[in-house]
Amino acid sequence: KAGVTQTPRYLIKTRGQQVTLSCSPISGHRSVSWYQQTPGQGLQFLFEYFSETQRNKGNFPGRFSGRQFSNSRSEMNVSTLELGDSALYLCASSLEGVRTDTQYFGPGTRLTVL
Amino acid sequence: LAKTTQPISMDSYEGQEVNITCSHNNIATNDYITWYQQFPSQGPRFIIQGYKTKVTNEVASLFIPADRKSSTLSLPRVSLSDTAVYYCLVGDPLVVNNAGNMLTFGGGTRLMVKP
Repeated sequence: KAGVTQTPRYLIKTRGQQVTLSCSPISGHRSVSWYQQTPGQGLQFLFEYFSETQRNKGNFPGRFSGRQFSNSRSEMNVSTLELGDSALYLCASSLEGVRTDTQYFGPGTRLTVL
Repeated sequence: LAKTTQPISMDSYEGQEVNITCSHNNIATNDYITWYQQFPSQGPRFIIQGYKTKVTNEVASLFIPADRKSSTLSLPRVSLSDTAVYYCLVGDPLVVNNAGNMLTFGGGTRLMVKP
């Protein structure tokens, strides 16, 4: 079974631009979560989607948004990019997103904002 | 989510057993303890999860005392490829909670395995 895939793997943008990242979960998984990882802040939760609905949200500004499609694929959008948005963005999927589900992470998208 | 405290780094040698302890004094009744491994520029990989006592799988063991205020990840006979960052995560891995429950990884423990 194929793992979680994320595209693109690397991205370079300039301040003020917007970016869209894509995540394809493991087949059959309905829950998709997004995380931001930086050297200073570590792994931080952005939001989680299940059945095309956002269920949980972390403490990030409204510039960070996402959505999930009927096939469970998810996209994350960051508008008006800032230098501090440079990070590794990780997507994780799980079956139903319940307590004992394992989250499977993708390889991440490395975003650099210049 | 319960705050976790782990050593920042640990060194070991090939073939040794490594024990990484995580403190989580404020763990809640419904919280599970999960450990992940992460290599540079890769996403975290699930290692093991437990609620109480001892859990063992093909790669590691997880020891949880009765009060559940700490847990210990045990890696038997480590090899160079076990060099990675190990995260302890405590809480409901995913909660259907419209209040916006945050899922937070701690700082992790950077394990260096030497030949």
